[in-house]
Amino acid sequence: QQQVKQSPQSLIVQKGGISIINCAYENTAFDYFPWYQQFPGKGPALLIAIRPDVSEKKEGRFTISFNKSAKQFSLHIMDSQPGDSATYFCAAAGANNLFFGTGTRLTVIP
Amino acid sequence: KAGVTQTPRYLIKTRGQQVTLSCSPISGHRSVSWYQQTPGQGLQFLFEYFSETQRNKGNFPGRFSGRQFSNSRSEMNVSTLELGDSALYLCASSGGVLAGVWNEQFFGPGTRLTVL
Repeated sequence: QQQVKQSPQSLIVQKGGISIINCAYENTAFDYFPWYQQFPGKGPALLIAIRPDVSEKKEGRFTISFNKSAKQFSLHIMDSQPGDSATYFCAAAGANNLFFGTGTRLTVIP
Repeated sequence: KAGVTQTPRYLIKTRGQQVTLSCSPISGHRSVSWYQQTPGQGLQFLFEYFSETQRNKGNFPGRFSGRQFSNSRSEMNVSTLELGDSALYLCASSGGVLAGVWNEQFFGPGTRLTVL
């Protein structure tokens, strides 16, 4: 059973546009929700993370929106750039395990 | 500061063999986690070591094991390899106790294992 569901699988956005990736989870014991960015041939890199006691966190062009009651969270990339083209993974962590979404391949067209 | 290093970067084995992968964490990091990444199953957590002790474990069979040395370097071993074990194996290090296991994890480039 997929602990974290991520959509869409792929996303194409024009340069300057907003990229939105959504994730949903079931386990209310999860207490840490990170997003990772992965370029081909590289390991994932932590992009931004949020805990369930806040509804939004912003770092530069990247924003996480968190809806605890709906058990959903999303990543917004403002002013998307070609350099943002990568695969993005959401994740959810409890005390002993970290579960990843299936990934979203983002392509930003110049 | 040097990043997380993994060796070897590429490995080809045959079914039934065993393999050992190595991970050197960022200097000062005491927690090392291992992950498997495949096109079909995505990224999955294997286990995490802190101060030479396995602290957390994912849902993988006993063929997957690991250990951590006093210098925080970690090895992962897979015995009796199966075709389905072909994957990118990633390790990540973090500060450990106060940082939280999952906080500020830094990933290595991975070891690409192919099982024939």
